[in-house]
Amino acid sequence: GESVGLHLPTLSVQEGDNSIINCAYSNSASDYFIWYKQESGKGPQFIIDIRSNMDKRQGQRVTVLLNKTVKHLSLQIAATQPGDSAVYFCAEKETSGSRLTFGEGTQLTVNP
Amino acid sequence: ETGVTQTPRHLVMGMTNKKSLKCEQHLGHNAMYWYKQSAKKPLELMFVYNFKEQTENNSVPSRFSPECPNSSHLFLHLHTLQPEDSALYLCASSQTGGGVKETQYFGPGTRLLVL
Repeated sequence: GESVGLHLPTLSVQEGDNSIINCAYSNSASDYFIWYKQESGKGPQFIIDIRSNMDKRQGQRVTVLLNKTVKHLSLQIAATQPGDSAVYFCAEKETSGSRLTFGEGTQLTVNP
Repeated sequence: ETGVTQTPRHLVMGMTNKKSLKCEQHLGHNAMYWYKQSAKKPLELMFVYNFKEQTENNSVPSRFSPECPNSSHLFLHLHTLQPEDSALYLCASSQTGGGVKETQYFGPGTRLLVL
């Protein structure tokens, strides 16, 4: 399953499928990007990050892809599990300053 | 656990009350943040503190008053709030400077309801 930017805030997938959550950003000066996961009743939890000098980074079951040409960031979750159900946010940061700019988030629902 | 704790986890207050939210980070970071999270809206940055000094106030109404006595503790004092201030208030911390990634780590939040 795949979400499209900020206009599709929900994504529903079957357990075991791969999920792709997308994020568009607008600031060309952003050089650091983070994906967060927020479960119901909890604060955002860091998942994976990527600097602008890379276009791909892999973690455990997650991969982040960065396309600076079109200012697009995606999070791929392999073999999605019910425990992956949450809201996923992307965040971007410029080299200068410590401010993070967050996207609206995508609600991922994993059906057993 | 992310190393950032917040108390209380839930708070109900009237518009004439005064209350305070507390945040503590155990990560040795030098920057702390307050965010407001309302339903179906992106996280809104409220305040930033670097080495105990406030470096950002994102046009927050004066009924919200932050305090940072040291790099590990951050408070948000609340007085004469409005019902539209009901939200999840999140605290975060990060390490800034020196070429580090400056990833922000969040606490669990305080769910605030203003009646």
